[in-house]
Amino acid sequence: GAVVSQHPSWVICKSGTSVKIECRSLDFQATTMFWYRQFPKQSLMLMATSNEGSKATYEQGVEKDKFLINHASLTLSTLTVTSAHPEDSSFYICSVPAGGSYNEQFFGPGTRLTVL
Amino acid sequence: GESVGLHLPTLSVQEGDNSIINCAYSNSASDYFIWYKQESGKGPQFIIDIRSNMDKRQGQRVTVLLNKTVKHLSLQIAATQPGDSAVYFCAERDGGTASKLTFGTGTRLQVTL
Repeated sequence: GAVVSQHPSWVICKSGTSVKIECRSLDFQATTMFWYRQFPKQSLMLMATSNEGSKATYEQGVEKDKFLINHASLTLSTLTVTSAHPEDSSFYICSVPAGGSYNEQFFGPGTRLTVL
Repeated sequence: GESVGLHLPTLSVQEGDNSIINCAYSNSASDYFIWYKQESGKGPQFIIDIRSNMDKRQGQRVTVLLNKTVKHLSLQIAATQPGDSAVYFCAERDGGTASKLTFGTGTRLQVTL
């Protein structure tokens, strides 16, 4: 399957600062990537679909001005949490659909964000 | 979707026994299902998938069963090992949503020695 990396693996920041998380598809060119958020002991919730060369598509209830997504190349998507607050503390995970008609998704290792 | 909050359903199984993890889904338009394993602090790991035109699929030590009539999915793990301890999620894809997945609430599998 596709190999997906994320950077950083964890980050601690002060309230009000912005944090950028990178998602890289190491062996597969991805025109689409997905960003999920996972709170402790809960399931993954899709935040947005990142589209290479065009605007991201956000799920209902997700603020596009707060969670900026840039998919600048076929192997890199970035999620920037702007003006982070403690309630933004979560585990952020990206995934890459592997192609084909059913598009199984392969996930990155996740980024733990803690906002103080 | 609805969250189970702070308490994931937990299944405790003795090492060597078989495990069965269940998942109910609600979208009759879902055409593809995946089981993922997630260890603490890591991203989900693909285990096995099944298309809606099938009712059973087998992998190495794992079997997925799909019952579309009652919208139920199960994951069977044979000869459960300590390394199988993790949270297991089912995910479904709506046939019309271009590969977006909706995840179930998850089940924690604890393997006791």
